[in-house]
Order: sequence, then structure tokens, then C-alpha cells
Amino acid sequence: EAGVTQFPSHSVIEKGQTVTLRCDPISGHDNLYWYRRVMGKEIKFLLHFVKESKQDESGMPNNRFLAERTGGTYSTLKVQPAELEDSGVYFCASSQDHQGWTEAFFGQGTRLTVV
Amino acid sequence: AQSVTQLGSHVSVSEGALVLLRCNYSSSVPPYLFWYVQYPNQGLQLLLKYTSAATLVKGINGFEAEFKKSETSFHLTKPSAHMSDAAEYFCAVSVTSWGADGLTFGKGTHLIIQP
Repeated sequence: EAGVTQFPSHSVIEKGQTVTLRCDPISGHDNLYWYRRVMGKEIKFLLHFVKESKQDESGMPNNRFLAERTGGTYSTLKVQPAELEDSGVYFCASSQDHQGWTEAFFGQGTRLTVV
Repeated sequence: AQSVTQLGSHVSVSEGALVLLRCNYSSSVPPYLFWYVQYPNQGLQLLLKYTSAATLVKGINGFEAEFKKSETSFHLTKPSAHMSDAAEYFCAVSVTSWGADGLTFGKGTHLIIQP
């Protein structure tokens, strides 16, 4: 079974440009999460999808970030326009339905560098 | 509100020696606690979890952690370090028992194994 897949694995863009990160969750997982780790800091929650609906987007830093999950399958996270402080590693995770404890599986992350 | 403090951004031990990675948490409600590991170029992998059952939790690869409410700690241990244990370890707390809902992570600890 394929795990959570993220691409690109690395992206280097200039300040002001747009970048789109993609996450393919494990097939059948309704829950999809985005997290971010800025260098030297904690991994922080960004948002949570249940199928195609945003369940919780309290961690999104500002309106330059737009997450979508059309059709409840893969998700994209767009940063437009990118700023220097957006650099970091963006992780995606997925899990099954909320039926007691369900393990979340993380992708290997996309390392975004804004120069 | 929740928070996690991991003592030591880098911990170095000799191969065969005891591994001890420290984690203290703060939570306004009974917490669910997790340890994740990230090997180079891989995603976060769940090592073990505490979900209010036994206070001594055993995980994969010979790791275990003990929940101590009086000390608000959830330290990770392994009796004998192996070279393959070299990785970054993250302690996390959540108020829910499922998936990756609102995980609050510590800053991570790099475990270095000396031959």
C-alpha cells in the first residue's frame, strides 16, 4: 500500500512568486492534515480536511495560503505570493475515519525555500 | 492550551548505551501523548502513544515511554542504542485520541549515536 506522497520534495522560489504543494493521502483516508515546520521551530498544525471540507483551518498563518481538496482525494496548498518567512518543511498526514484512535501517517514533507 | 518541551536539541549516546529523550507537557485536559521519529529523507513515523491506558507504553524498535502525571513528563527510553536509531525524535500532545487532530509538537531532539 502506498503511503502519503508529497511533491515536490524540494522547491526553491523567489519572494513574490507562487508555489503549489501537493499531497496524495493514503487511499480511503478521509482525514487530511497539513503541518509546517519553520527552521528551528516546532512542527505546527495548519489545517484539517474531512473529505473535501475544511474541518479546522485555525493554523493557517494568513490569507496568502490557500488549501484545497477537490473531490476529497489529493490536496494542494498554494502560497501566493510567497514571503521569506514561508520557508520551511510542509508535512501532510492522513488518517481514516474518527472511530476511536486512528493513526495518522505522515508524508516525507516538501522543503520550501523562499529566496 | 497545550505545549511540549523537549529538553536538548541534540543528544549523543554511545552505541549500546541507554537512550533517554526528555519530554514535558502542559495540557489543560487529560492529554494524549505521542512520540514520532523522522529518519533522514523520510516522513514522521509514530513510535508510540499514550491514550490513558497503561502508563508504561511500549513502542516499535525497542522504545518505551512512561507517562508520569505528577511530573507532567513522557520521557522516551531505550535500553541499548543502535546505530540505526540515529534520527530526529518529536514528542507531541493532543486533546483528542484520533488521527493528527491538532497535534502540538515539541521542537524535536536529534539523537546521535557514537560508535
